[in-house]
Amino acid sequence: SQTIHQWPATLVQPVGSPLSLECTVEGTSNPNLYWYRQAAGRGLQLLFYSVGIGQISSEVPQNLSASRPQDRQFILSSKKLLLSDSGFYLCAWSVRRLAHTDTQYFGPGTRLTVL
Amino acid sequence: DAKTTQPNSMESNEEEPVHLPCNHSTISGTDYIHWYRQLPSQGPEYVIHGLTSNVNNRMASLAIAEDRKSSTLILHRATLRDAAVYYCIFTHDRGSTLGRLYFGRGTQLTVWP
Repeated sequence: SQTIHQWPATLVQPVGSPLSLECTVEGTSNPNLYWYRQAAGRGLQLLFYSVGIGQISSEVPQNLSASRPQDRQFILSSKKLLLSDSGFYLCAWSVRRLAHTDTQYFGPGTRLTVL
Repeated sequence: DAKTTQPNSMESNEEEPVHLPCNHSTISGTDYIHWYRQLPSQGPEYVIHGLTSNVNNRMASLAIAEDRKSSTLILHRATLRDAAVYYCIFTHDRGSTLGRLYFGRGTQLTVWP
């Protein structure tokens, strides 16, 4: 069966520090991968989307970036965190059919607090 | 992104049915309606999806209006574990947003024992 991992589970970082969040998927090949952020009291915002290694689409301009160095690995990064980057970061995958019936499967999330 | 309208919150008693409404007046003929839910401090999980006909699975039922401009997620017997935020989303079958989900604020369901 497929499993999605995210780490760390929680993270407290000072403003201006770098960030690296990792997501890996097991039990499937060539998945679509997604990064979402959920700010406190708000809905999920799609940040990045990837259909393959090295292929990243950005949904929202910001100081975050994403990379996909391996087929089942998705990394979210920042060179300098802002207070507004605090939130719950979720990684998700779907079978790579690019169909509008695709189901997305979410990881456990990383709760980031920027102080 | 595709827009849906849901009530901010709803309440139910345990073991009673729950009907969660969603309006999607701008939906096109081939767009699918999806429902996800998010339990506290967890990622969303898929609940159900449909196109035109009513759909049933082990988690819930989805009733879609004849004009497809609204739908209702039905939990037949609410349990305390059903307390979550429920998101209604519709997805396009073509274009640059193919395969992507755009979440709104959803409906916070509270279940009382």
